[in-house]
Amino acid sequence: DVKVTQSSRYLVKRTGEKVFLECVQDMDHENMFWYRQDPGLGLRLIYFSYDVKMKEKGDIPEGYSVSREKKERFSLILESASTNQTSMYLCASSLSLEEQFFGPGTRLTVL
Amino acid sequence: KQEVTQIPAALSVPEGENLVLNCSFTDSAIYNLQWFRQDPGKGLTSLLLIQSSQREQTSGRLNASLDKSSGRSTLYIAASQPGDSATYLCAVRPETYKYIFGTGTRLKVLA
Repeated sequence: DVKVTQSSRYLVKRTGEKVFLECVQDMDHENMFWYRQDPGLGLRLIYFSYDVKMKEKGDIPEGYSVSREKKERFSLILESASTNQTSMYLCASSLSLEEQFFGPGTRLTVL
Repeated sequence: KQEVTQIPAALSVPEGENLVLNCSFTDSAIYNLQWFRQDPGKGLTSLLLIQSSQREQTSGRLNASLDKSSGRSTLYIAASQPGDSATYLCAVRPETYKYIFGTGTRLKVLA
């Protein structure tokens, strides 16, 4: 079974802090994704990575950056957290843009 | 621009009933369609993936169909159980890496 893990289930940060969210998958998938999920807005793509050190912006990349130094690990970075970044963050991976597998999510609250 | 709609937004049924969840999309140029289940506060669990060349996929009590020309997919759940209570989301993949998600149908199966 594909396993996607995320570093934290719940996270509380202060405005202006730098925040790191980590995602690890164990199935050698080349594609990894970061989404945020908000009530009424559904899932929105923040960033996509199709290989080590390769990335593409999603629909809402502003205020975020990503890092993929190893194939199995994809990190989302909030350079200076703001209250409007309070959300559920979901990581996913897929092989050849086929079936997506999601991690358990990180509920981030920015105070 | 591709849009994915799931109606109704919420549904309550008595245990044992067979039910159908709907997913509509506006652009028939898709590579695949995936159905997910999401429990409150959790990540998405993949249920079924249908390739654009397929008409349906089955897994246990679940059957998903795809009619590309009409822009519709249905998820059929046979003999529903209280454990099926969750939010069900569909997602389509157009020609790019950007999967487009519906906002989901929240299902409650009453014991």
